[in-house]
Order: sequence, then structure tokens, then C-alpha cells
Amino acid sequence: DAKTTQPPSMDCAEGRAANLPCNHSTISGNEYVYWYRQIHSQGPQYIIHGLKNNETNEMASLIITEDRKSSTLILPHATLRDTAVYYCIVRVAGTSYDKVIFGPGTSLSVIP
Amino acid sequence: SQTIHQWPATLVQPVGSPLSLECTVEGTSNPNLYWYRQAAGRGLQLLFYSVGIGQISSEVPQNLSASRPQDRQFILSSKKLLLSDSGFYLCAATPGQGASPLHFGNGTRLTVT
Repeated sequence: DAKTTQPPSMDCAEGRAANLPCNHSTISGNEYVYWYRQIHSQGPQYIIHGLKNNETNEMASLIITEDRKSSTLILPHATLRDTAVYYCIVRVAGTSYDKVIFGPGTSLSVIP
Repeated sequence: SQTIHQWPATLVQPVGSPLSLECTVEGTSNPNLYWYRQAAGRGLQLLFYSVGIGQISSEVPQNLSASRPQDRQFILSSKKLLLSDSGFYLCAATPGQGASPLHFGNGTRLTVT
């Protein structure tokens, strides 16, 4: 079973920030948080990941709470091309037990 | 950076026929490899993962099997396809060490008729 929970769907106005929440209350100390998105009929695309510090790259920002039990992916200026299903997963990286389970994700609709 | 090759992109097979989907990875050694399936309108289901040659972990009892004959080659097979095997099959890979993320191939869309 997936170790994360996300809202099934969200809407965001074009040009506004999209804030996608993820709950991972049972995360362990050596598990990273990863975010992916999947546009219809394509393979999932990696967005960003982090352990405990906030992270930013050219696509998005990742905010992880201090207790690490939840995180938020921020798309600063959403465009219509950001309409996709967004997945949040947790993973213990670099071990021989690397079972990576995806939950149902959040379907984000960016509205003109 | 690693590149994941999957083929074919689409496949239509009759019920009861065999299946072989191949995934090869470039740009990294000793990767962890994964097969996922996505039924129409559904999420990603982990089928198999492998942390080394000959090491396969099966996650869901089913009509499929996986093999890893070489370090960067992962094969998904079936002896007799079922209608329920239809779906979007995705191969993913990540370097075996460190926190590098999984990257996915472009997938194979299988329709069993």
C-alpha cells in the first residue's frame, strides 16, 4: 500500500500558484519524498525530491514540514500544460529493498 | 543521464498468446529496475522490481513474470495473455545507490483482444 495520501482532485486558475498537499504521517527518518506528474498517455515525469529541507528547481518548489509528516508541491505560475495527475511517494533510497509504490495521486486541472 | 528504452510503443495481442516486453537502460550501471502497469483510468500498479541480475521481487500474483538476464535489461513476459492484462506497461530505473529518482520509459500500450 502507498504510504501517502493526497486529495483526488484540485483546480487552479492559470497563472496562479498551484499548491498540492501530501500527507505521509508514517514516514521514517531515512525516507525521501518524491513528486512526479503524469500527463495523459505518457510515462510519469520526475519533478523534485527532498529529505527534510525545502527544495526548489526550475519546475517547482517542495516544502516539507518540520516533523516531515506532510509536504506541499508548489507550481509557482500554473499553465494549462501543468494539467496532469501529480503523485507524491516516499522511498528509502539506495538500499536493496527499493519497493516504490504509487498512490492514486491528485488530478490537477488548470483552468483558463 | 540515464535513458530508458521500451518497445514496442503499442501492441495488440489475442487472448491466449504469449507476451514479451523488453526494457533496456543506458547511462547507469547496476540500476534498480521496475515494471508497472496502469489500467485505463487507474493508477500505477507495481508488478516487479529488481535490484540486481537474477533478483526479481514480485508484488502482485498474476499471469506475468519478469526476468533480468543482463544488468541493464528487464523483460516482462506472459505465456498466455488474459483480457485483464490490457493496460499501459511502464519500465522505470534508478541508480542503485543514492537518492536519485526513478525515471520512466515511454511505455507500451497493450490491448488484449
